[in-house]
Amino acid sequence: KQEVTQIPAALSVPEGENLVLNCSFTDSAIYNLQWFRQDPGKGLTSLLLIQSSQREQTSGRLNASLDKSSGRSTLYIAASQPGDSATYLCAVEANSGYALNFGKGTSLLVTP
Amino acid sequence: DAGVIQSPRHEVTEMGQEVTLRCKPISGHDYLFWYRQTMMRGLELLIYFNNNVPIDDSGMPEDRFSAKMPNASFSTLKIQPSEPRDSAVYFCASSLPGANEKLFFGSGTQLSVL
Repeated sequence: KQEVTQIPAALSVPEGENLVLNCSFTDSAIYNLQWFRQDPGKGLTSLLLIQSSQREQTSGRLNASLDKSSGRSTLYIAASQPGDSATYLCAVEANSGYALNFGKGTSLLVTP
Repeated sequence: DAGVIQSPRHEVTEMGQEVTLRCKPISGHDYLFWYRQTMMRGLELLIYFNNNVPIDDSGMPEDRFSAKMPNASFSTLKIQPSEPRDSAVYFCASSLPGANEKLFFGSGTQLSVL
C-alpha cells in the first residue's frame, strides 16, 4: 500500500523567506504527483501536477520537483507572503488506478 | 462553471440517524470521488465512480456506508445508521477523463454525529 509522508507537519516562517516543503512516498510506480493547498474550512485546490516522466513544474512563485526513483518531491515557495498561509498536501496517483493517496499535509504560517 | 457543489455544508445529527450527503460534479467530468478527512487519518478515499459506475469502493469503511451516482450530475453518500466515529469532513471531487488530470474538490460537508 502506498504511504505518503510529509515533513514537517507544521512550519512558521517570516514573510519574504524562501521555503521548502517535503513529500516522500513508498512506491515509485506512480502516474503523477500533485500538490494541493487547503485553507481552513475549505476544500483543496490543486497547485501543481507533475507527471511521472517530468522532473519539475513551476507556477509563479511555486516550483515542485519530483525524484521518482528516490520517492521524493519538494514544493519550493519563493518570497513567501502571509497569503501563502495554508495547509499544503501532496498526493500520488498510482499506476494501477485513478485514486490519489494523500499525505497528511504541512501547515504553513507566514508571519508579517 | 460553479465548481464542485456539495450540500449541506454542515450536518449535525444524533447517533443512529440516517445522513445523506450530496454532490454535483463539474459538468463534463467523468470521474467522481468521495473522500473523508479527519485529523487522525488525513484524507481517505472512500469510493470513486467513472461514468456513473462505481469502480473502487474498497475504502468504504462498513456496510453502513453507501454511495450512488444515478446520473452524471449528481451523487450521494449515505450513512445509515450514523455513529459518532463517522464525524469528519466529507469531500467530493471530480476530474476529466484520462491520466494526469487535476482533481477539483468541493468545499466539503462537516459532519458531526452526537
